[in-house]
Amino acid sequence: NAGVTQTPKFRILKIGQSMTLQCTQDMNHNYMYWYRQDPGMGLKLIYYSVGAGITDKGEVPNGYNVSRSTTEDFPLRLELAAPSQTSVYFCASSYSGSSYEQYFGPGTRLTVT
Amino acid sequence: LAKTTQPISMDSYEGQEVNITCSHNNIATNDYITWYQQFPSQGPRFIIQGYKTKVTNEVASLFIPADRKSSTLSLPRVSLSDTAVYYCLVGDMDNYGQNFVFGPGTRLSVLP
Repeated sequence: NAGVTQTPKFRILKIGQSMTLQCTQDMNHNYMYWYRQDPGMGLKLIYYSVGAGITDKGEVPNGYNVSRSTTEDFPLRLELAAPSQTSVYFCASSYSGSSYEQYFGPGTRLTVT
Repeated sequence: LAKTTQPISMDSYEGQEVNITCSHNNIATNDYITWYQQFPSQGPRFIIQGYKTKVTNEVASLFIPADRKSSTLSLPRVSLSDTAVYYCLVGDMDNYGQNFVFGPGTRLSVLP
């Protein structure tokens, strides 16, 4: 199993540009999550999904959108990138709710200038 | 939503046992205690989870007193590769959303 994979690993965006961060898991997990981590800080939940077709907002959803058309994929869309979105983005999945063991991807380091 | 408090940083030497304590005074009856480890430039990795008393696996032990208002992660005989940030989280196994909060964690530095 590859676990949770994320692409790209690094990206530099200009202010106002848009992009999609890709996340795929091959563990048949129903639950998937997007977090962001700013330097020296903990992780903050952006969006989560409890299954295909079902998504909900986390702690910091503004400026982001998600979709979940399949069990495996959970892309994160950034519209009109802003410098405040400079961060490391982690995707994770779990068998059931967030209290169950979450498996994290390697992260995407995004810089908005 | 149970809030956790843990030391910001700790230093240790190779071969020592390290104990990281987490306070969660408002823990609810259905909450479990979970610890994650994060190396630089990597996503967090699950270490151990427990509800009460003691849990041990091949990596660590988790001690939870009877009142469950705190917990202690114990890492036996640490090595340089144990240098990482350790997060303590508390959450209900039946809560499917945003009950899990990764605070700043404890930055453990293992020195030679």
